[in-house]
This record gives sequence, C-alpha cells and structure tokens, in this order.
Amino acid sequence: GQNIDQPTEMTATEGAIVQINCTYQTSGFNGLFWYQQHAGEAPTFLSYNVLDGLEEKGRFSSFLSRSKGYSYLLLKELQMKDSASYLCAAHLFSGGYNKLIFGAGTRLAVHP
Amino acid sequence: DGGITQSPKYLFRKEGQNVTLSCEQNLNHDAMYWYRQDPGQGLRLIYYSQIVNDFQKGDIAEGYSVSREKKESFPLTVTSAQKNPTAFYLCASSVGTSGYTDTQYFGPGTRLTVL
Repeated sequence: GQNIDQPTEMTATEGAIVQINCTYQTSGFNGLFWYQQHAGEAPTFLSYNVLDGLEEKGRFSSFLSRSKGYSYLLLKELQMKDSASYLCAAHLFSGGYNKLIFGAGTRLAVHP
Repeated sequence: DGGITQSPKYLFRKEGQNVTLSCEQNLNHDAMYWYRQDPGQGLRLIYYSQIVNDFQKGDIAEGYSVSREKKESFPLTVTSAQKNPTAFYLCASSVGTSGYTDTQYFGPGTRLTVL
C-alpha cells in the first residue's frame, strides 16, 4: 500500500530553525512535494525534490533521500506568519497518470 | 490574472440533496483534480481528469460524480449517496506532463456543510 507519515504538531520560537520530517512507502515514486497551508486556505506550493540531496530556496530548504524513503523541510529564521500546516506529498506515476499521495500534514505553531 | 476559482466558499445543504461544486481554471492546464480534506487527515483524491472528456476515479469516488466537457471546467457533484459529505473540498490543476514534474496548483476551496 501507499503510506506517508509526518508528525502531527510541532512548536518553535520566532527566529529559530525547525525541521519537519516525512517518511513514505510508495510504488511508482517520482518525487516529493511540500506544500504550505494556512487554516481555511488552499495549499500553496513550496518545493519539489526529484533527486537526492538538499535544495535551498530562501528561508526554506527541502531534502530527499530516495533510498531511505525520507524527506524533510527545513525552515530558518522562523516568522510568526510561518504558523501553518505543512503537507508532504509523494508524486507517483502509474498507469500513465500522475497522482499525489498526501500525508496528514504537520501543524507548526511559531510563538514569540 | 491566471488562477483557479471555486465557488461558493461556503455551502450549506440539507441531507439528501445533491449539490454541485464549481471549479474553473484559466491556466490552460490539461489536468484537473478534486480532493477532500477532513480534520487530522491528508488530502484524499476523489476524481481526476487528464484531458477533456476523460476522468478517472480516485481513492474515495463513491457518492461523487464529475464531468469534464471543457478544458477550463471540472464540476464535482456530491450526491445523496455520499454518507459523510461535510468537508473542505479542494480543486487543483496541473499542466499534465506525464511522468515529469507536474506541480498541482490549488483553488481556494469550498467548505460544504450538510445539515
């Protein structure tokens, strides 16, 4: 079966660094997406990793290890506006169709 | 401005009534998707469509129906057969490039409450 796991909740302090982990067990794996979702709003795209390694994009970085079925999202210099849910999603390609399998999301609370 | 629109943002219906949620995109994307989001759960795929006049069932299609008569539009009907329809419904679209990076972009969502 397809399975995506990530922690339910995390808390961090403004200005700090936080790492949100995601593990996956899937077939037909193409890559790993990270989305940010504020309460009651649409998910917005943060990153997509296809190859192993770290990709940095401003304050946000994302890492992928295909052999370990593991990814993480690293948020630096945390700001209050970073309080949101962070969704990891495995991109699968099977039977000629693209498909995303989402984890339940990690709710991050940033406090002063 | 290009984007995905969903209307209405909030929708209330009585139990036993069918209801149709609209999704329109002007991004010229081939692929469109419908997801359902419940508290504490990840987004679950209801239906998806890679091209006009073609659509496939996702993981939780029972009690739902869709049509894809135009590239820009992918309406979702929640029927009375859906046992627990109260949820946040998200529509997404992507270019539809098979097997390569195919980022999905989401609409603002419709929160459906069945009374």
